[in-house]
Amino acid sequence: DAMVIQNPRYQVTQFGKPVTLSCSQTLNHNVMYWYQQKSSQAPKLLFHYYDKDFNNEADTPDNFQSRRPNTSFCFLDIRSPGLGDAAMYLCATGEGHDGKETQYFGPGTRLLVL
Amino acid sequence: GQNIDQPTEMTATEGAIVQINCTYQTSGFNGLFWYQQHAGEAPTFLSYNVLDGLEEKGRFSSFLSRSKGYSYLLLKELQMKDSASYLCAARDSNYQLIWGAGTKLIIKP
Repeated sequence: DAMVIQNPRYQVTQFGKPVTLSCSQTLNHNVMYWYQQKSSQAPKLLFHYYDKDFNNEADTPDNFQSRRPNTSFCFLDIRSPGLGDAAMYLCATGEGHDGKETQYFGPGTRLLVL
Repeated sequence: GQNIDQPTEMTATEGAIVQINCTYQTSGFNGLFWYQQHAGEAPTFLSYNVLDGLEEKGRFSSFLSRSKGYSYLLLKELQMKDSASYLCAARDSNYQLIWGAGTKLIIKP
C-alpha cells in the first residue's frame, strides 16, 4: 500500500544532542512537509519541499534543518534540541499546489527531550 | 493576519448529530479542509470544499460559505470511534494551509 512512513515513532534525546527524524513516502508526491505539533495545538509548518526546492517558514528556528536527498525521503535535523522542542513531528506529502491537493500524513514521531 | 477559529471542545451523545463550526480569515482562499486526528496519531483527511454549499460523504458532511468565511463539519449517527479532534484548515493564496487548533469531540454513550 502506498503510504507515508516515519521512523522512529518515539524518539528520546538529551538536551543539546543532535537528533534526526526520517520520513519516506511511496506515493511519489512532489511535495513533502514537516510540521511540529504540540498538545492541543494546530500543526505548525516548519518547511516544505516542492521537488528539490526548499521553502523555509519565516519563523522556523535555525536549529531546525531539513534534507531531501531524493523524491522518497526527507529528513528533519534538530541540531541542539531544547526542552521546548518536545513535540509530535509530522511529515506529510502532497501532489502539488493545484486543485484538490490533500496532504497525506505519516504517523508522526513523538520527540522527548530530557 | 491569518486566523482559524473553532471551538476547543464539544460533547455529544452516541447516535446523535453534531455540528463543528469553523471561521477563517486568510489572505486569499483556495479551499477548506477538515481533518480527523485521534489522540497521539496523525491527521487524516475527511473533506475538502472550495465552492459554496454542502458536500456529503457518508455520515460526514462539510459546508462552506466563502462570503461569510465559514465552514462546518456535520457528523451524523455518532459512534464512539468518532471521539477525536477535528481540525479545520484553510488554504491561502500561496497555497499554504492555515490550521486551526482543532475541536476535541467527546462522545458519551
